[in-house]
Amino acid sequence: DGGITQSPKYLFRKEGQNVTLSCEQNLNHDAMYWYRQDPGQGLRLIYYSQIVNDFQKGDIAEGYSVSREKKESFPLTVTSAQKNPTAFYLCASSSRQASGNTIYFGEGSWLTVV
Amino acid sequence: GENVEQHPSTLSVQEGDSAVIKCTYSDSASNYFPWYKQELGKRPQLIIDIRSNVGEKKDQRIAVTLNKTAKHFSLHITETQPEDSAVYFCAALNSGYSTLTFGKGTMLLVSP
Repeated sequence: DGGITQSPKYLFRKEGQNVTLSCEQNLNHDAMYWYRQDPGQGLRLIYYSQIVNDFQKGDIAEGYSVSREKKESFPLTVTSAQKNPTAFYLCASSSRQASGNTIYFGEGSWLTVV
Repeated sequence: GENVEQHPSTLSVQEGDSAVIKCTYSDSASNYFPWYKQELGKRPQLIIDIRSNVGEKKDQRIAVTLNKTAKHFSLHITETQPEDSAVYFCAALNSGYSTLTFGKGTMLLVSP
């Protein structure tokens, strides 16, 4: 768990602004994920990446973008097109695809729109 | 894609009682089912998982059972303690995309 670092932990965004959440892992994991957590909604998948330079949309990708230029890094940009971005964002990784391999989570980033 | 239903949404028990949380899934090809515990303001942490080649797995006070025919799996916590109070999430592997789909969570409250 300690090998996944998210920053910042708290972030305030003005409406109309893009913000980028950082996620770095030193676990040598191939796969990385971004989840969004809202009260009573569980964890919903935004984007995931199984290898460098490749990523796929999850269930709620609209208004978000990602990149995977390095194995260790998977930043998430919350764009102005995301109408309700206030949430707790969790980055995660696993050794390969999630097919039976444990997913480990970072400590999360709280994003609030002001 | 996979759909995971989790019940109940909240569960209150007295210390020492048992707690059971149930989940159903839709993808009959799913073969991996982890359970995560999330304390307030913290990250989810894996507490136990089960693969489809077994029907039950136990780790001290925690056990998980799996019924593939009925497509449901359950978390059992015995001799509950106040520190067991947290939100618990079940998940199932989405076989088509190798990602996990999570239930909406169960808030477990253990009263001393």
